[in-house]
Amino acid sequence: DAKTTQPTSMDCAEGRAANLPCNHSTISGNEYVYWYRQIHSQGPQYIIHGLKNNETNEMASLIITEDRKSSTLILPHATLRDTAVYYCILKSPGRGSTLGRLYFGRGTQLTVWP
Amino acid sequence: NAGVTQTPKFRILKIGQSMTLQCTQDMNHNYMYWYRQDPGMGLKLIYYSVGAGITDKGEVPNGYNVSRSTTEDFPLRLELAAPSQTSVYFCASRGRSGYNEKLFFGSGTQLSVL
Repeated sequence: DAKTTQPTSMDCAEGRAANLPCNHSTISGNEYVYWYRQIHSQGPQYIIHGLKNNETNEMASLIITEDRKSSTLILPHATLRDTAVYYCILKSPGRGSTLGRLYFGRGTQLTVWP
Repeated sequence: NAGVTQTPKFRILKIGQSMTLQCTQDMNHNYMYWYRQDPGMGLKLIYYSVGAGITDKGEVPNGYNVSRSTTEDFPLRLELAAPSQTSVYFCASRGRSGYNEKLFFGSGTQLSVL
């Protein structure tokens, strides 16, 4: 699975939108973009994923560029509880033993301030 | 549903001691995983299981053993603890259906080997 590049840290004011970028210039055609986050001292939590279309759920929106070489996770109204490390992960549809084997890099530390 | 439950939350071991980290899930998931996370780093896969009676090595299996006698439980065994095994350990599970790489993580076990 290809690697991703994320900024080490970002900050955001509470109530504002947090836009977390991820570069994946070597993404292959069948790789999905997944986002997880890890609040301090907790296990990672799934947020959202997508292939090429923009996706939205109750937690966030995912915008993938047309060439699929980069994406942005958007938290529309950040709260203090959104302070966490956010991981952008690429994964092709797995079969059998490859399912669930995700590569977690260092991610982006998002700090939401009051 | 409790989800994925890990015990203990914290443990201190002396070099050479052994212990078992417990992990159980109540979602009837076939796939289960053990990851470790060193300070300031991402997660690395230790072992995984695609179903009861089936286990395989991940990225960093040395010094660990696992078993999967039931669907619910996936314990991780450290036989001769070493300082290099000081880390936070996360257990995760995934359902069988589809190619959605949505993992459910436990809250982690923080292990110190002194």
